Formats: sequence, C-alpha cells, structure tokens
Amino acid sequence: DQQVKQNSPSLSVQEGRISILNCDYTNSMFDYFLWYKKYPAEGPTFLISISSIKDKNEDGRFTVFLNKSAKHLSLHIVPSQPGDSAVYFCAASASGGTSYGKLTFGQGTILTVHP
Amino acid sequence: DAGVIQSPRHEVTEMGQEVTLRCKPISGHDYLFWYRQTMMRGLELLIYFNNNVPIDDSGMPEDRFSAKMPNASFSTLKIQPSEPRDSAVYFCASSFYDEQFFGPGTRLTVL
Repeated sequence: DQQVKQNSPSLSVQEGRISILNCDYTNSMFDYFLWYKKYPAEGPTFLISISSIKDKNEDGRFTVFLNKSAKHLSLHIVPSQPGDSAVYFCAASASGGTSYGKLTFGQGTILTVHP
Repeated sequence: DAGVIQSPRHEVTEMGQEVTLRCKPISGHDYLFWYRQTMMRGLELLIYFNNNVPIDDSGMPEDRFSAKMPNASFSTLKIQPSEPRDSAVYFCASSFYDEQFFGPGTRLTVL
C-alpha cells in the first residue's frame, strides 16, 4: 500500500526553465510534508517542507504547493540549474499518535536539467 | 558536527553470511531510523527508535533482520542469514523533530 506516490519516475528540463515535480498521498492523517534531494552515492538531504495549515512555502528558487482537498503537493524549481539534477523524494508525516517522527517516502523522481 | 556516520560504506558478502551495519546518529537527536532503498520499492522505512527504544519495526521484512540501539550514539542493523534479495543501499537517519538527517548509506551486495 503506497501511501505516498510520485507517479513520474523521471523528468527532463532545459536549464533556466521551470521544473515541476508532483506527489500524491492517500493518508488523511498526514499533516506535514517534506521534499528531499539525493545525489548519487550520498544520503538524501532535506530541501523544503510545508505544514498542512499552509498551501505554499517558498525558499529561494524552490516553492512547494499543497492542495489538501486533492491530497496533492508539488515542488517548483525556478529557474532550473544543472546542479539541480538529482533524485527528488516526497515524504509525509502525521504529527499525532504513535506515528510521530515517522516519514513515509515516495519512490522518487529523477530530475535531469540539461545545459 | 560530522553528521550521521555509517559503516561500512560498501559490503560484499556471500549468501548465508551474517551482515552487520552500523550507525552513529547526530548528537542530541532522539530519533533514529533505518531505511532500505531499492529500485523497485524506493525508500522503505525498516525500523525506528525514540530515545533508544524501538517504536515501529513493522517495516522489517523478515526475522532475518534485527536492529538494536544500545545507547544514544550507536545502532546496528543485522541480517542473518543474508540473501541475494537483501542487496540494496541501507540508510540510517536521525532527527530531533520532523527533519531527518541521513547518513551516506551502506551499499550491500549479497552474492
């Protein structure tokens, strides 16, 4: 049962254009969402997060949008740079009960930004 | 801070052998997580600890897998006996709140 889904295994974008990575979730208890970036031979690193009380969070070139009614979030990267080429993981957590602290990850999307 | 430290970085072993993966979390973090990454299943949570106590081990695939956290600065993930389908990258992560910090991973190959 995949509670967090990233339906696009890969995305290819030209340098300077916008990259949009998508993520869907099924568990209504999720109230905090994170994006991680992973380079080869390294562990995932935290990129940006959003609480369910917001619908948008921005950090420099990175913006995350949350649509709770659709159980959908997206990560926008503008402008995209070749150094952004990596695997991007969406993750979600539920703050209440025994699941506190636990993240459920999607399968990842490989982003390639071409010069 | 050195970040989360994992050892070894690479492990090649033969089917049936015991494998032990090690993790040192970031000092002050009270959560520790073990994940497995494969092409088919992405990042799977195997088990996590809070204040050295296992909280959820529902992701541990079989009895062949076990994890311990004897103190706040050390954890092990053991596979005994190992099988070729255990080949994957195993990550350890630690956190104090929602953001988890990952180690570089251990690439395990079981022949």
